Amino acid sequence: EVQLVESGGGLVNPGGSLRLSCAASGFTFSSYSMNWVRQAPGKGLEWVSSISSSTTYIYYADSVKGRFTISRDNAKNSLYLQMNSLRAEDTAVYYCARETSSLSFDYWGQGTLVTVSS
Amino acid sequence: DIQMTQSPSSLSASVGDRVTITCRASQSISNYLNWYQHKPGKAPKLLIYAASSLQSGVPSRFSGSGSGTDFTLTISSLQPEDFATYYCQQSYSTPRTFGQGTKVEIK
Repeated sequence: EVQLVESGGGLVNPGGSLRLSCAASGFTFSSYSMNWVRQAPGKGLEWVSSISSSTTYIYYADSVKGRFTISRDNAKNSLYLQMNSLRAEDTAVYYCARETSSLSFDYWGQGTLVTVSS
Repeated sequence: DIQMTQSPSSLSASVGDRVTITCRASQSISNYLNWYQHKPGKAPKLLIYAASSLQSGVPSRFSGSGSGTDFTLTISSLQPEDFATYYCQQSYSTPRTFGQGTKVEIK
């Protein structure tokens, strides 16, 4: 069974940092591109970042470019999102999602809540 | 960036109703269009990929159509478990933009 489990969310001050993790199981993690998607309170889904299977291709939304860094450790079946210079508008539930060869996101984690507030 | 616009933003419907949600892209995206269902506190669920392909395990009452800039998600007979928010997403280019969502509520 495919499972994606996010962790690392919490309350952080504006300007602070946080590192999210996504533990993958039930599939060959190293064969798939992975993504982070977020949902701010009362808002819709927003794509944040993607990383290809071998880390060759990495992309970011303009809203996080230069502040967030996506990475992965295929040996540990894990995806990461390092978030620096956090702003109130980064407050959201963050989901990791697996990307298929048809460029859709077929499995998602349950999400981890990040709250940026003083 | 490609903008995705869904309509309506919300709708009220009864069990058994046929429901149609539309999604328009700001430029042609061929058939690079996916549909997701999202319920509060749950992980989003892939329903349709490549505009019209039904994801494995998704009931056949869900269908998708369209190409280019205009797309449709149809629920042929709304069931109680279908009350949720639905999102389209383009996978033609990065950033992989989502529509603003359509909330389907009980009438």
